[in-house]
Amino acid sequence: NAGVMQNPRHLVRRRGQEARLRCSPMKGHSHVYWYRQLPEEGLKFMVYLQKENIIDESGMPKERFSAEFPKEGPSILRIQQVVRGDSAAYFCASSPQAREGRNYEQYFGPGTRLTVT
Amino acid sequence: RKEVEQDPGPFNVPEGATVAFNCTYSNSASQSFFWYRQDCRKEPKLLMSVYSSGNEDGRFTAQLNRASQYISLLIRDSKLSDSATYLCVVNTGFQKLVFGTGTRLLVSP
Repeated sequence: NAGVMQNPRHLVRRRGQEARLRCSPMKGHSHVYWYRQLPEEGLKFMVYLQKENIIDESGMPKERFSAEFPKEGPSILRIQQVVRGDSAAYFCASSPQAREGRNYEQYFGPGTRLTVT
Repeated sequence: RKEVEQDPGPFNVPEGATVAFNCTYSNSASQSFFWYRQDCRKEPKLLMSVYSSGNEDGRFTAQLNRASQYISLLIRDSKLSDSATYLCVVNTGFQKLVFGTGTRLLVSP
């Protein structure tokens, strides 16, 4: 039973390039979350998506960052015109469909380590 | 004030010791609580959910005090493999997890 899958595991981009990070949730999970962990800091929520819907993007920077979870295929976190401060580990998590009054545990993928040179 | 606060440690303990970590959270409307474990440069792994009645999983016991907005994790009979960073995590609603910065545990032979 495959867990959450992320690729690439490591990504190096020069300043100004675009970074595309992919996440496939666990089988049976329909909710995807993206978190960012800067060096020596805790994980910070970025965005919560269901298929074809962004539910909560309150943690996303206003510019250059976007996320999608299409009907078919993985969720994509896109960072345009990367800067050095975007260097971080980006983790994706997934959970089953939430029911009212119940918060399901989230399971994390191995992360993508983005380095901007 | 941070939403979730933890002592960063490190806690250095010998094998076999009992160690306890504490965590406080600021949002009284928080709905669910978890402890995750993170090994160096790896993804967080769910250790256990935390319930008001307290819960135990083998050598690990978690407690929640909603009145004091306080969560604890107790590890008994520490093993070398318990060395990791322990993350206190709060779900403030709508599936958004808020992470503490973690408490580092080092178990030595």
